[in-house]
Amino acid sequence: DGGITQSPKYLFRKEGQNVTLSCEQNLNHDAMYWYRQDPGQGLRLIYYSQIVNDFQKGDIAEGYSVSREKKESFPLTVTSAQKNPTAFYLCASSGAHSLSGGYTFGSGTRLTVV
Amino acid sequence: EDKVVQSPLSLVVHEGDTVTLNCSYEVTNFRSLLWYKQEKKAPTFLFMLTSSGIEKKSGRLSSILDKKELFSILNITATQTGDSAVYLCAPAQGGSEKLVFGKGTKLTVNP
Repeated sequence: DGGITQSPKYLFRKEGQNVTLSCEQNLNHDAMYWYRQDPGQGLRLIYYSQIVNDFQKGDIAEGYSVSREKKESFPLTVTSAQKNPTAFYLCASSGAHSLSGGYTFGSGTRLTVV
Repeated sequence: EDKVVQSPLSLVVHEGDTVTLNCSYEVTNFRSLLWYKQEKKAPTFLFMLTSSGIEKKSGRLSSILDKKELFSILNITATQTGDSAVYLCAPAQGGSEKLVFGKGTKLTVNP
């Protein structure tokens, strides 16, 4: 079945450590996105990529980094520079230039800094 | 700056009630508006609206877009406890197809 997989579901990190969240899709979608969700808040865009080897900053990119070396994969690294990293992270994908079915979302990674 | 405002932020109703959720937006290069339902984790797609005045329906849910007033509503009739969720409104920007999300409306349906 086609879909988008995020791992791990739960992640604990000590302050000062970098951590990488995985996002893999087998939908043959060109575009992929990373959002952050805090309690009582909507989703805020961190980074997005419309094509392999290219990505753009979203609204809250500071303290995060991404790569897009393969069409299927769009990992997100939360660096020690991110001041408040505890949040729920959602990855999504869509066919480029076509939102007829909306984004497909992964089931998310809940990151807690201890 | 792009802005999406949803109201109310929270709503508690009884089963069988009808609810209307509101979404106003100001985004650059607007292309369409999407509604999502989020229960625990991943948001699930409900509707995409592109044209003004054309109602989209799916069972007890319906939605309409007003591109002149920059506004959309989501109606749920005969609510059930399974409708309890956060409903997210997200205008899409052309070109990048980025979605700009509102904070959501948390709907609680009591038996």
